[in-house]
Amino acid sequence: AQTVTQSQPEMSVQEAETVTLSCTYDTSESDYYLFWYKQPPSRQMILVIRQEAYKQQNATENRFSVNFQKAAKSFSLKISDSQLGDAAMYFCAYRSVGGSQGNLIFGKGTKLSVKP
Amino acid sequence: NAGVTQTPKFRVLKTGQSMTLLCAQDMNHEYMYWYRQDPGMGLRLIHYSVGEGTTAKGEVPDGYNVSRLKKQNFLLGLESAAPSQTSVYFCASSPSRGYSNQPQHFGDGTRLSIL
Repeated sequence: AQTVTQSQPEMSVQEAETVTLSCTYDTSESDYYLFWYKQPPSRQMILVIRQEAYKQQNATENRFSVNFQKAAKSFSLKISDSQLGDAAMYFCAYRSVGGSQGNLIFGKGTKLSVKP
Repeated sequence: NAGVTQTPKFRVLKTGQSMTLLCAQDMNHEYMYWYRQDPGMGLRLIHYSVGEGTTAKGEVPDGYNVSRLKKQNFLLGLESAAPSQTSVYFCASSPSRGYSNQPQHFGDGTRLSIL
């Protein structure tokens, strides 16, 4: 079974600085998808960025980028130029390509605080 | 588009009471899911459905039942609520398996408290 681990329950960053959230996963599959979701206090689950395992190039979305290390099974999220609105819970998630379920497997989350 | 709509948004129950959470999606998605979110636990899969009339158990199915009589609706039932079922419940939907890279669309969640 696949597992996702986020080893940082809480992180803090100064506004305008850069922060990296860690995520590692365990799988025997060779093809899969990885996602980062943001959950602000409003409770919404907002997709931040996604990575396809067969792509070596790291995904980027504006101030958000990932460092995907397939051999190390690591998928960290870098937030550049942090803004107050980035304060939220961040969840790393894994999804198999095959199989019948198609569900996401989540890490336990990292709570990010942004200091003005 | 409304996307994924969950009803109700908040509910308090007494132990032993029953209730049904409703999830509706207007994106014609095949797959639908129910997750629960507990502090420090992330989101865990309760039940899921890969199409109208089909349901299956996820990671934490005990104490819950589901039905998918219509493609757009996925109902989560608690027959006899227990304090351990106090949680935030999320419904999500996605296109079929061939679109695994597509993100799941989430509802806004239902906060359920069992006294």
